[in-house]
Amino acid sequence: AQKITQTQPGMFVQEKEAVTLDCTYDTSDPSYGLFWYKQPSSGEMIFLIYQGSYDQQNATEGRYSLNFQKARKSANLVISASQLGDSAMYFCAMRDDAGKSTFGDGTTLTVKP
Amino acid sequence: EAQVTQNPRYLITVTGKKLTVTCSQNMNHEYMSWYRQDPGLGLRQIYYSMNVEVTDKGDVPEGYKVSRKEKRNFPLILESPSPNQTSLYFCASSRLAAQSSYEQYFGPGTRLTVT
Repeated sequence: AQKITQTQPGMFVQEKEAVTLDCTYDTSDPSYGLFWYKQPSSGEMIFLIYQGSYDQQNATEGRYSLNFQKARKSANLVISASQLGDSAMYFCAMRDDAGKSTFGDGTTLTVKP
Repeated sequence: EAQVTQNPRYLITVTGKKLTVTCSQNMNHEYMSWYRQDPGLGLRQIYYSMNVEVTDKGDVPEGYKVSRKEKRNFPLILESPSPNQTSLYFCASSRLAAQSSYEQYFGPGTRLTVT
């Protein structure tokens, strides 16, 4: 069975600083994908970044990077140079090749001016 | 414009009255999935489909039915809704590849209230 754990219900960060959102996962499948999504207060789900289980390098997308430590089963999201518009709920998720998908409970990030 | 559409966006209904929430995507995606989101919780997968006529249960399938007769449509059916099915529902779709390497595109959500 898959499990995603996000241990930080809420986080605060000063504008222009970097922040790390934690995510640990558990699965017995060798092939899977890890994702981060952003949900602003308006409610839509926005894809941020993806990491494959066999990928050797950490994924990066603009100001987002994923710190993937496979042995520790962690997939932390790093947001550099935080902006006020980054204030939102952030979800870590995984999906296996059979289509089963699991989301964490989310972390609410607040960026302070 | 590539998108996933859901209808209705908002629905208030009564216990036991059958309802269907439609979901359609225009990206020719093989994979489609339904989730529910409750306050303080992440998204929980209800059902998913890897292709036409192929559906599988997610973590919370009780009280729901789905069908995938066409690639673009994946309706969610509540045969006899109950108040504990009051929730925000999301439909999503994606391409398929090894390591699940394609992200899911989400619809705007359907807010359902069952009284």
